[in-house]
Amino acid sequence: SQTIHQWPATLVQPVGSPLSLECTVEGTSNPNLYWYRQAAGRGLQLLFYSVGIGQISSEVPQNLSASRPQDRQFILSSKKLLLSDSGFYLCASGRDNQPQHFGDGTRLSIL
Amino acid sequence: AQTVTQSQPEMSVQEAETVTLSCTYDTSESDYYLFWYKQPPSRQMILVIRQEAYKQQNATENRFSVNFQKAAKSFSLKISDSQLGDAAMYFCAYRSLKYSGGGADGLTFGKGTHLIIQP
Repeated sequence: SQTIHQWPATLVQPVGSPLSLECTVEGTSNPNLYWYRQAAGRGLQLLFYSVGIGQISSEVPQNLSASRPQDRQFILSSKKLLLSDSGFYLCASGRDNQPQHFGDGTRLSIL
Repeated sequence: AQTVTQSQPEMSVQEAETVTLSCTYDTSESDYYLFWYKQPPSRQMILVIRQEAYKQQNATENRFSVNFQKAAKSFSLKISDSQLGDAAMYFCAYRSLKYSGGGADGLTFGKGTHLIIQP
């Protein structure tokens, strides 16, 4: 079965600072990868989606970007964080008709 | 675009009793998947159960079962013999089977139902 690693688990950053969250997947190859954000008391919102290396689709306009430099690596970035970027970020992996599996998430607080 | 609605922000049930969580969705597609995910305080997202829209038979996983009403676009989750470990946020989610580029393969989530188990 696949395992999804996310780090860091918790991050506190000042407004205007850069961001890099990393997600790696084990136990599968050529997965579809996803970044979701969960604001406090809300459901998950899909941010980015990738079907392969270098292929990124964005679901919502925002201050964030994503990259997939390797098959099982998915990175969420920002050049300048905003207060509204605070939240809980989850990476997920899925394939074809299989359910998506999630990492343990990163709690991001912007000061 | 698809939408998923969970009309119960919070539900409470006595331990060992049965509880049903509601979910409705809106879509123009005929083929899709529906899921229930559980998010305990640790905030992990754990798959509870899934249903393929083309299957008429309701999915069952041990104490968890669904009532899938395709025409009504309703997908409720029933938890039997509730246990303290069932306490969590429960999210209903929709996934299109039709790839149309962009994030079409991503999940659309409801806002969740907070389930409290009373000992």
